[in-house]
Amino acid sequence: NAGVTQTPKFQVLKTGQSMTLQCAQDMNHNSMYWYRQDPGMGLRLIYYSASEGTTDKGEVPNGYNVSRLNKREFSLRLESAAPSQTSVYFCASRGTARVVEKLFFGSGTQLSVL
Amino acid sequence: EDQVTQSPEALRLQEGESSSLNCSYTVSGLRGLFWYRQDPGKGPEFLFTLYSAGEEKEKERLKATLTKKESFLHITAPKPEDSATYLCAVQAVPLPNDYKLSFGAGTTVTVRA
Repeated sequence: NAGVTQTPKFQVLKTGQSMTLQCAQDMNHNSMYWYRQDPGMGLRLIYYSASEGTTDKGEVPNGYNVSRLNKREFSLRLESAAPSQTSVYFCASRGTARVVEKLFFGSGTQLSVL
Repeated sequence: EDQVTQSPEALRLQEGESSSLNCSYTVSGLRGLFWYRQDPGKGPEFLFTLYSAGEEKEKERLKATLTKKESFLHITAPKPEDSATYLCAVQAVPLPNDYKLSFGAGTTVTVRA
């Protein structure tokens, strides 16, 4: 079982470049999430999609956009990358929003912005 | 504002040397507390969910407990394969269409043979 699949695994950008991080899950989950992880800080929520057709801002949405393409796929776009966006990005999913339920995480994208 | 603090930041253990990790939290209306394990270069992997004070969960050498202000992850007789970063997260604050999950920064455990 693939679970949550993220691409790419590594990426280096120059300041001002744009890119899209892709995420797909094969568990028929309704809810999907994008987090960033920085040294010494907990995972922080960027955007989430509680169900297909909805997206909402998390704690740190500035500089990012998202698209819930269908039930399986949730992409994260950096329109004009900045060095402050250097981080490790994780996509996650779970069955349903508004319940106490574990998250399933992808393996992450390590992004460096020079 | 909700806060999740994990201590210590790093823990070095000898194989077989039991110890505990702490996760203290300040949230109103706790709905659930999660423990995850994260190996280098990988995403977090679920370990336990605790719902209310007094609850305990066990899995192999790991045991998680919960009080009204903190949770402990006890590692009994650890082995080198228990080396990882352990993350704590609390689910409490309502968001539009969901509930916020707040993560601690983690405790990195290294177990030497």
